[in-house]
Amino acid sequence: AQTVTQSQPEMSVQEAETVTLSCTYDTSESNYYLFWYKQPPSRQMILVIRQEAYKQQNATENRFSVNFQKAAKSFSLKISDSQLGDTAMYFCAFIIQGAQKLVFGQGTRLTINP
Amino acid sequence: NAGVMQNPRHLVRRRGQEARLRCSPMKGHSHVYWYRQLPEEGLKFMVYLQKENIIDESGMPKERFSAEFPKEGPSILRIQQVVRGDSAAYFCASSPMELPQGDRLFFGSGTQLSVL
Repeated sequence: AQTVTQSQPEMSVQEAETVTLSCTYDTSESNYYLFWYKQPPSRQMILVIRQEAYKQQNATENRFSVNFQKAAKSFSLKISDSQLGDTAMYFCAFIIQGAQKLVFGQGTRLTINP
Repeated sequence: NAGVMQNPRHLVRRRGQEARLRCSPMKGHSHVYWYRQLPEEGLKFMVYLQKENIIDESGMPKERFSAEFPKEGPSILRIQQVVRGDSAAYFCASSPMELPQGDRLFFGSGTQLSVL
């Protein structure tokens, strides 16, 4: 079975701090893509960052970066210099090459405190 | 270019009624996906459609649920004889091509279905 596990239901940090959200996944496939989505209270699903499994280099998007450990099937998200607007639910997800469905984790509720 | 439009944003139904959820994909997108989000859970895939065709409905409950994406008009997710367990947020996403090569999947803001 293909699954995604986010072991931190909730996290809370102070503004400007760095926070890391963890994600592990399980698949027997070797070609896949990994994603982090942000869901603010508006409910809109916003893509934060993506990573191709065949790429060893970790993806980076401004203040957001990932630590991709393929052998460990781990895909954590690091948010640097956190901002109040980063407060949201964060979902880790992956999709198998050739498939058409994303598999999501249960989410981590992140709160950035002023 | 407007994003993926879902309506209504909130829908309240009594047990036994029908719920019809609409999704207008982004302009130029011919691939539509429906996901369901139960409270405090992640999104779960339901169905994948292309124009006039259901490609993958492996996540759809076998009874009471149906989806369509006609040649003209929005995609419709239909739930007949709703029960309290159907209460959830239903998200639509669209893409201009198959995933993940295109990797241009855009989500709507969802329809929150509440069954009384």
